Amino acid sequence: DVKVTQSSRYLVKRTGEKVFLECVQDMDHENMFWYRQDPGLGLRLIYFSYDVKMKEKGDIPEGYSVSREKKERFSLILESASTNQTSMYLCASNSGYYNEQFFGPGTRLTVL
Amino acid sequence: AQKVTQAQTEISVVEKEDVTLDCVYETRDTTYYLFWYKQPPSGELVFLIRRNSFDEQNEISGRYSWNFQKSTSSFNFTITASQVVDSAVYFCALSEVSGGYQKVTFGTGTKLQVIP
Repeated sequence: DVKVTQSSRYLVKRTGEKVFLECVQDMDHENMFWYRQDPGLGLRLIYFSYDVKMKEKGDIPEGYSVSREKKERFSLILESASTNQTSMYLCASNSGYYNEQFFGPGTRLTVL
Repeated sequence: AQKVTQAQTEISVVEKEDVTLDCVYETRDTTYYLFWYKQPPSGELVFLIRRNSFDEQNEISGRYSWNFQKSTSSFNFTITASQVVDSAVYFCALSEVSGGYQKVTFGTGTKLQVIP
């Protein structure tokens, strides 16, 4: 059974903390994505990666960075968490250009 | 720029009613793919269907059917005889190749509530 896993389902952090969200896929996919989901805004792309050590900005990269040291792992980093980064974070992966994405269960992050 | 519009924010139906979720997209590309995903209360998005821009055939899968019309840039999703388990948020998405990379744009989602 193919899987995308995320390190935490729920996370509570304080303003100014550095936050790491981890995503691992076991499908040997070259593409990985980080989205945030907010009510009324749908899914918005933060960053994506099409290969190890490669990364590209999505639509809302400000305040975030990413790391992809291994093909199966894609990390999202909030350098200094702020309250407006309270959201649901979804990781996804796929192969090729037009294939469906496989999503993880999401991490609901609350920044106090 | 590509755009996906799901004008229906929330829909409530009584069990066994049919319901159609609308999706309208904008793109300048001639090659693109459209998707529907389901997000149940548990939170994990689940892939339902993919359709490429050259295939306008409608598709039926059990109680689900999809109507793709390039002339109106729409890719609507119908659930026949709805069930409580269909309650979820449904997302329509558009995938293109832009700058050598896959570019996926999601709509804002339609929350469907099926009342028993």
